[in-house]
Amino acid sequence: EVQLLESGGGLVQPGGSLRLSCATSGFTFNNYAMSWVRQAPGKGLEWVSTISARSSKTYYADSVKGRFTISKDNSKNVVYLQMNSLRPEETAVYFCAKDASYYEKWGQGILVTVSP
Amino acid sequence: DIQMTQSPSSLSASVGDRVTITCRASQSINTYLNWYQQKPGKAPNLLIYTASNLRSGVPSRFSGSGSGTDFTLTITSLQPEDFATYYCQQSSSAPHNTFGQGTKLEIK
Repeated sequence: EVQLLESGGGLVQPGGSLRLSCATSGFTFNNYAMSWVRQAPGKGLEWVSTISARSSKTYYADSVKGRFTISKDNSKNVVYLQMNSLRPEETAVYFCAKDASYYEKWGQGILVTVSP
Repeated sequence: DIQMTQSPSSLSASVGDRVTITCRASQSINTYLNWYQQKPGKAPNLLIYTASNLRSGVPSRFSGSGSGTDFTLTITSLQPEDFATYYCQQSSSAPHNTFGQGTKLEIK
């Protein structure tokens, strides 16, 4: 069974940093791209970042480019999202997703709260 | 960026009804259109991929159609567990995917 489990969320002050992790199992991790998608409270879904299967390419939404870094450890089957210079408007549930162009499996999500 | 617009934003229906949700892209996306269902406090769940392909395990009362810029998700004979929010998502510009704003399906 495919499973994805996010961790590393919490409360952080504006301008602060957090690193999210997404531990995966049940599929051949290094054959798939992985993505992060976020959802602000009561709002819709927003794509944040994607990393290619072999980690050779990374992609970011304009809103996070230069502040967020996605990475993938194919030996541990984990994908990370390093988030720096966080802003209050980035308070959201962050989901990791197995990316096959469509998001065929999602983690349960982890809440990131950016507040003084 | 490709903009996705869903209509309606909310919809009230009864168990047993047939409902249709529409998604329009700001430019042609061929059939690179996916549909998700999300229940409160849960992650989205893929229903339909590439416009009309039903994901394995998804009930056959769900169907998708369309190409180019106009797409529909149809649910025939609504069941109580179908009341949720539905999102379309384009993958024509993958990985720079964009979602519609969502359609909340409520019980009448």
